[in-house]
Amino acid sequence: EPEVTQTPSHQVTQMGQEVILRCVPISNHLYFYWYRQILGQKVEFLVSFYNNEISEKSEIFDDQFSVERPDGSNFTLKIRSTKLEDSAMYFCASSGTSGGNEQFFGPGTRLTVL
Amino acid sequence: QKEVEQNSGPLSVPEGAIASLNCTYSDRVSQSFFWYRQYSGKSPELIMSIYSNGDKEDGRFTAQLNKASQYVSLLIRDSQPSDSATYLCAVNWGDSWGKLQFGAGTQVVVTP
Repeated sequence: EPEVTQTPSHQVTQMGQEVILRCVPISNHLYFYWYRQILGQKVEFLVSFYNNEISEKSEIFDDQFSVERPDGSNFTLKIRSTKLEDSAMYFCASSGTSGGNEQFFGPGTRLTVL
Repeated sequence: QKEVEQNSGPLSVPEGAIASLNCTYSDRVSQSFFWYRQYSGKSPELIMSIYSNGDKEDGRFTAQLNKASQYVSLLIRDSQPSDSATYLCAVNWGDSWGKLQFGAGTQVVVTP
């Protein structure tokens, strides 16, 4: 069964450093998303991406964040200068169609900022 | 401010019984509703989607949607210890492009 994959599973970084989180969405999906979940809190939407453009982003997704689809399979989230409060689980998701279609989540990357 | 509300639990359910989970939402424009299961330390796993009023059944799971009353529920029949997890309600608002807004989740504990 096709699934979303993410690497690394755990990333530890120093405050102020740049990190890139990687995702490989389900192969025939066209819509991609990043969410995050701070420990003990709700899953929060960050950004949606379609046709090489951001479709929607949340208030969390400020200038420190960027997304890219560098090739036909990868989808990346970059945080330019990490803060302590960026420590969270970051989930990539993909869906076959837009809007209300079902989104399938990857296993997540645990980001720890020291 | 649009809200998705769930009772945090824990909801304790004897093995073999029915677990009933509720979710209310604040905006009448909502189009799509989803239930995810999340085991501790893991990612959300899609269980059910529901888009129109009424019931939708998939195996031991039944989702119920009532748009007039702005709630969506999930029933788990014949609960098993492996159903012990946090169940997340997620809503795609009609004026949003694909964004899911999640509730805080209801923790379910199935006791043997």
